[in-house]
Amino acid sequence: DQQVKQNSPSLSVQEGRISILNCDYTNSMFDYFLWYKKYPAEGPTFLISISSIKDKNEDGRFTVFLNKSAKHLSLHIVPSQPGDSAVYFCAASLGYSTLTFGKGTMLLVSP
Amino acid sequence: GAGVSQTPSNKVTEKGKYVELRCDPISGHTALYWYRQSLGQGPEFLIYFQGTGAADDSGLPNDRFFAVRPEGSVSTLKIQRTERGDSAVYLCASSLEAGRNNEQFFGPGTRLTVL
Repeated sequence: DQQVKQNSPSLSVQEGRISILNCDYTNSMFDYFLWYKKYPAEGPTFLISISSIKDKNEDGRFTVFLNKSAKHLSLHIVPSQPGDSAVYFCAASLGYSTLTFGKGTMLLVSP
Repeated sequence: GAGVSQTPSNKVTEKGKYVELRCDPISGHTALYWYRQSLGQGPEFLIYFQGTGAADDSGLPNDRFFAVRPEGSVSTLKIQRTERGDSAVYLCASSLEAGRNNEQFFGPGTRLTVL
């Protein structure tokens, strides 16, 4: 039973456009959400996070939106760049430290 | 400073053998985590240490899996009587302290293949 779901295995976007990656979760006790980016043969790297008490967090080209009533979060990348091409994992945390990850969405940004 | 390192980067073994996977966390990080990523899946939590003790081992799939961190730094994940289903990338992460506001830094992983 997946508690964190990323229903789109892949997404293709043109350079300069907006990329929107979606994530749904089932456990209403999750109180912290994160996005990780992963290149092949490397470990995931932290991108951006949001606490459950907020509905938006922005860091440069990256913005995460949280809709608690819908148990949904999204990552917006504007403008998208070819170097953003990677697998993006949504993760959620319950209380302390351990992370529950989704299956990931592969983003391809074409020039 | 160096990031999280994991050795070996690749390990091929036969069914039934014993394997050890090593993780060197970032110096000074007190919390250390092990995850497993199977093909087409996201990383799945196995165990985490705060210092030398296992604070949460609820993700270990069965008693063939065991991990230690005897001096609060390097950790070893041990798998006995390996099975083909154990084939995956084993990821290690460390953070300054445990707690959701402490970013987890991941190593590149060890790809384990059980033939």
